[in-house]
Amino acid sequence: EVQLVQSGAEVKKPGESLKISCKGSGYSFSTNWIAWVRQMPGRGLEWMGVIYPGNSDTTYSPSFQGQVTISADKSISAAYLQWSSLKASDTAIYYCARLNFIGGPFDPWGQGTLVSVSS
Amino acid sequence: QSALTQPASVSGSPGQSITISCTGTSNDVGSYNLVSWYQQYPDIAPKLMIYEGTKRPSGVSNRFSGSKSGNTASLTISGLQTEDEADYYCSSYTGSSTFPYVFGTGTKVTVL
Repeated sequence: EVQLVQSGAEVKKPGESLKISCKGSGYSFSTNWIAWVRQMPGRGLEWMGVIYPGNSDTTYSPSFQGQVTISADKSISAAYLQWSSLKASDTAIYYCARLNFIGGPFDPWGQGTLVSVSS
Repeated sequence: QSALTQPASVSGSPGQSITISCTGTSNDVGSYNLVSWYQQYPDIAPKLMIYEGTKRPSGVSNRFSGSKSGNTASLTISGLQTEDEADYYCSSYTGSSTFPYVFGTGTKVTVL
C-alpha cells in the first residue's frame, strides 16, 4: 500500500524554528515527486512547493519562496518542510502528497501535520 | 497565479445529481487535460476523486464523474448520498515551471 506518514502536531512560539517530516512507503520514493500543501484554519488548499527526492530538485510557489525550505533524504524515504523563524500566520495544517509526475494528481496524501504558533 | 473559481456551496437532496464548476483560464484548465478533484471531510486529508479531467482512481464510486468545456472543468455527483457531504477542491496544472499547480477555492456540498 502506498502511504505517506507525517510527523505529529507541533505547538511553537513565534520566532522558533521547526522541521516537520513526511515518510513514504510502498513505492519508489526516489522517483516520485513530493508536494507540500498548506491549509490555514477554515480555508482552502494552497500549493507550497515540490521536491524530487532522487536529486532534490525543488520548486517553490512564489508565495512561499524564502519563507520555508523543502528538503528530502531519499536514503530513509523522507521529505521535510522547515521554518527558521515561525510567525503566528504559519498556523495551519500542512499536508504532503505524492506526484507521479509534474502535472499529475496529488495521490495519496499524508494525514497532515497541525502547526500552531502562538505566544 | 490566481486560484481557480468554484461556487462556495452546492446542495442537493439524496438521489439527486449535482455539478460543481471549476473555472480557470486558457493558461491552465483550458490548456491541459490535467484537472484533478479532491474530496475532504472535516479534519481529514483530501482524497483524490478524479484525475486527468475524467478518470476515476480505483475504489472511487462511479457516481463521481468529471468533464471539461473550455476553461471550465466540472465534477458531477449522481445519486447523491449523505456520505457525499464534504468539501471539494479542483486543481489544475498550469504549465509553468515556477508555479505548476493551482487549486480551486473549494465547494461545500450539503446533502439536504
